[in-house]
Amino acid sequence: NAGVMQNPRHLVRRRGQEARLRCSPMKGHSHVYWYRQLPEEGLKFMVYLQKENIIDESGMPKERFSAEFPKEGPSILRIQQVVRGDSAAYFCASSRVDSATNEKLFFGSGTQLSVL
Amino acid sequence: AQSVTQLDSHVSVSEGTPVLLRCNYSSSYSPSLFWYVQHPNKGLQLLLKYTSAATLVKGINGFEAEFKKSETSFHLTKPSAHMSDAAEYFCVVSSSGSARQLTFGSGTQLTVLP
Repeated sequence: NAGVMQNPRHLVRRRGQEARLRCSPMKGHSHVYWYRQLPEEGLKFMVYLQKENIIDESGMPKERFSAEFPKEGPSILRIQQVVRGDSAAYFCASSRVDSATNEKLFFGSGTQLSVL
Repeated sequence: AQSVTQLDSHVSVSEGTPVLLRCNYSSSYSPSLFWYVQHPNKGLQLLLKYTSAATLVKGINGFEAEFKKSETSFHLTKPSAHMSDAAEYFCVVSSSGSARQLTFGSGTQLTVLP
């Protein structure tokens, strides 16, 4: 089992471009979570998805950010028209059920987004 | 509402000496508490968790943490540091147990000196 795979590891974009971050959950995991870590801060929840459904996007900025988890393929976090403030590390995690206490949560190694 | 404060952003110890990483939390409900570790270029890995059972929790790699409700603390300790322990450590609190309601501390970078 390869674990949670995120790519790319580093992504550089100019202001106004689009950023696409990919996350392949562990085999058998249908719950995916995206977190953002700004410099000098802890991880902050963004969105929770199951296959083909967004369950909770309460942590997502209202504009420019979207996420999907299609029936086939990885989960995608998309940021349109990036700005310098989007520069951060984006982490994906997956689990079999929505419980961090009863079930182990597995994290990817993150994508570091840099906006020039 | 819940929050986590990691009291030290950087801790430096010599190999073979004890490790203490401090964490205080705030939660309206009986919380679940976790410590995660992140080594360079790796994902976060669960070290240990407290979920209202025994207050002294043992984790992987010789780490343990004690839940002290009266002090609202959940400090991470290890009797003897190893070079491989050098990493960033995150204290995390959850009131509901759901992974979407985890609140992370800002992290403590542990350096182990030879």
